[in-house]
Amino acid sequence: KQEVTQIPAALSVPEGENLVLNCSFTDSAIYNLQWFRQDPGKGLTSLLLIQSSQREQTSGRLNASLDKSSGRSTLYIAASQPGDSATYLCAVRRSDPLLTYKYIFGTGTRLKVLA
Amino acid sequence: GAGVSQTPSNKVTEKGKYVELRCDPISGHTALYWYRQSLGQGPEFLIYFQGTGAADDSGLPNDRFFAVRPEGSVSTLKIQRTERGDSAVYLCASSLQTGGPYEQYFGPGTRLTVT
Repeated sequence: KQEVTQIPAALSVPEGENLVLNCSFTDSAIYNLQWFRQDPGKGLTSLLLIQSSQREQTSGRLNASLDKSSGRSTLYIAASQPGDSATYLCAVRRSDPLLTYKYIFGTGTRLKVLA
Repeated sequence: GAGVSQTPSNKVTEKGKYVELRCDPISGHTALYWYRQSLGQGPEFLIYFQGTGAADDSGLPNDRFFAVRPEGSVSTLKIQRTERGDSAVYLCASSLQTGGPYEQYFGPGTRLTVT
């Protein structure tokens, strides 16, 4: 059974710091991995999607890496800003073609960036 | 265009009562998903609709939970004889096509509190 874990569960940093959020998964047979942002009272916003054949994806100040063989992904946020404060979720999809529609989410990291 | 909408945004009910949660997917999206997010956890899959039919309801926790999508658009998640353990945020998502790893777009969720 695929399990997804994120550490740390919560993180508080001063503005301007670079930070790394971690995601690990137990079954390397994944189709892709996606990082989401969740703000209170709002839906999930997709940040970055990495296909299983890719090693990393970048968007602005965000960089996500994937090491499928070790079951790990990291989300790097450069020069953090108070507006980055949110819960960050990673989710994987299984490579089984009958089950790729189903996201399996991690427990999330609650990030607070202090001004 | 409009995103996925969910109503109500918040629902407080007494233990033992019946509740209905509504999801309006993005227009033209054929697939619709329900997830449940308990406090401090990531979203967990409940059910997936292809058009009007439930293609996978394996995530529904028990027979008190039921969902319908009679015209292949709006969906209603119904919970009978609510219990305090049902308290959670219920998220709905939709995707353009059915099955496969098509990107899912999430609504803001309904926060259900059972007292």
